[in-house]
Amino acid sequence: KAGVTQTPRYLIKTRGQQVTLSCSPISGHRSVSWYQQTPGQGLQFLFEYFSETQRNKGNFPGRFSGRQFSNSRSEMNVSTLELGDSALYLCASRAGSNYGYTFGSGTRLTVV
Amino acid sequence: EDKVVQSPLSLVVHEGDTVTLNCSYEVTNFRSLLWYKQEKKAPTFLFMLTSSGIEKKSGRLSSILDKKELFSILNITATQTGDSAVYLCAHVNTDKLIFGTGTRLQVFP
Repeated sequence: KAGVTQTPRYLIKTRGQQVTLSCSPISGHRSVSWYQQTPGQGLQFLFEYFSETQRNKGNFPGRFSGRQFSNSRSEMNVSTLELGDSALYLCASRAGSNYGYTFGSGTRLTVV
Repeated sequence: EDKVVQSPLSLVVHEGDTVTLNCSYEVTNFRSLLWYKQEKKAPTFLFMLTSSGIEKKSGRLSSILDKKELFSILNITATQTGDSAVYLCAHVNTDKLIFGTGTRLQVFP
């Protein structure tokens, strides 16, 4: 059974650009959530999607957005990149509320 | 606002030692507590503790939940160098995870 797949693995962008990250959950998992991990702030929740609907959103500016497709794949977009957006972005999926979350290997974003 | 605090921040031990990692939480509506191991990138799921499942064990790892005192511990016995990682504790709050800062464990031969 394939795990959670995130692409790309690494990205380097310049300030002001925008970026799109992709996440394919484990087959059958309809819940997909996104997290930002930085050395200073640790792991912070960005948003969660279920059946193409955003159910929950973290405390991040509107430059951070996402969506989920009918096949449960999800994308996250960050516009007008800032240096502080440099982080590891992790995606997680789960089978239901009685199960743990399975994380992907993440996308390492560097903003220069 | 829900809060999860882990201690210690880092720990250095020798192979064969037993370690105890701590996780305390202050949450408005407890649902479940998760433990993860993060070596490089992807956090790997270890345990899920709920009101109906307050003790879990897998090999050399075990975890308990004390709902009265609002904490959980993760025990690792007979540590190995492969146990070196950051261990994360997280509370499940309405479909999002609130993480602690993690405990960095280094196991030397």
